[in-house]
Amino acid sequence: GQQVMQIPQYQHVQEGEDFTTYCNSSTTLSNIQWYKQRPGGHPVFLIQLVKSGEVKKQKRLTFQFGEAKKNSSLHITATQTTDVGTYFCAGPDRVTGGGNKLTFGTGTQLKVEL
Amino acid sequence: EAQVTQNPRYLITVTGKKLTVTCSQNMNHEYMSWYRQDPGLGLRQIYYSMNVEVTDKGDVPEGYKVSRKEKRNFPLILESPSPNQTSLYFCASSLGRNRGRREQFFGPGTRLTVL
Repeated sequence: GQQVMQIPQYQHVQEGEDFTTYCNSSTTLSNIQWYKQRPGGHPVFLIQLVKSGEVKKQKRLTFQFGEAKKNSSLHITATQTTDVGTYFCAGPDRVTGGGNKLTFGTGTQLKVEL
Repeated sequence: EAQVTQNPRYLITVTGKKLTVTCSQNMNHEYMSWYRQDPGLGLRQIYYSMNVEVTDKGDVPEGYKVSRKEKRNFPLILESPSPNQTSLYFCASSLGRNRGRREQFFGPGTRLTVL
């Protein structure tokens, strides 16, 4: 079936530094979603990207969908302590689920130190 | 308030004792799903349902059962729990599979320990 990997697994940054997490799928994705999970919380939807090469911004967060629609990235500019959490990407599995099964990436855990 | 609720939030049980984790959503969502979250493995889909009476296996369905008799409810059943099913479980729902309707709303999670 489809595999979705994220790197890095962990990232510690000083407050004010930038942060990037990368998501790579073994298959072409029709769309990709990003979620954030705060420590002790549940995943919360951030954004969905659909078009090849699409770039979307949410304040200090920039999301990109690769031209081949097999990879994506999330970049946070000037991290703050409120950015702490685990960031997941997710894409529909067309190989085994006809697009209805959702495969999540392994996640990147971000820690921000003052 | 629009939400997904799960019960119980915490459960400690013993091997072989059947249990059910309930999930309910009040958003009239068609799509519902169960995930388990384990350290280093991210979120893995157990089962999902496109609508009432329609369920399909996710990536890790072994040892689990689900049912979708009503649109709002999607219980997860462990007929004979084993220690390797100790995990954090999330229920999620979304409007549907059409473009723009795939945002998933997650419940608060159920932490299950099987001794």
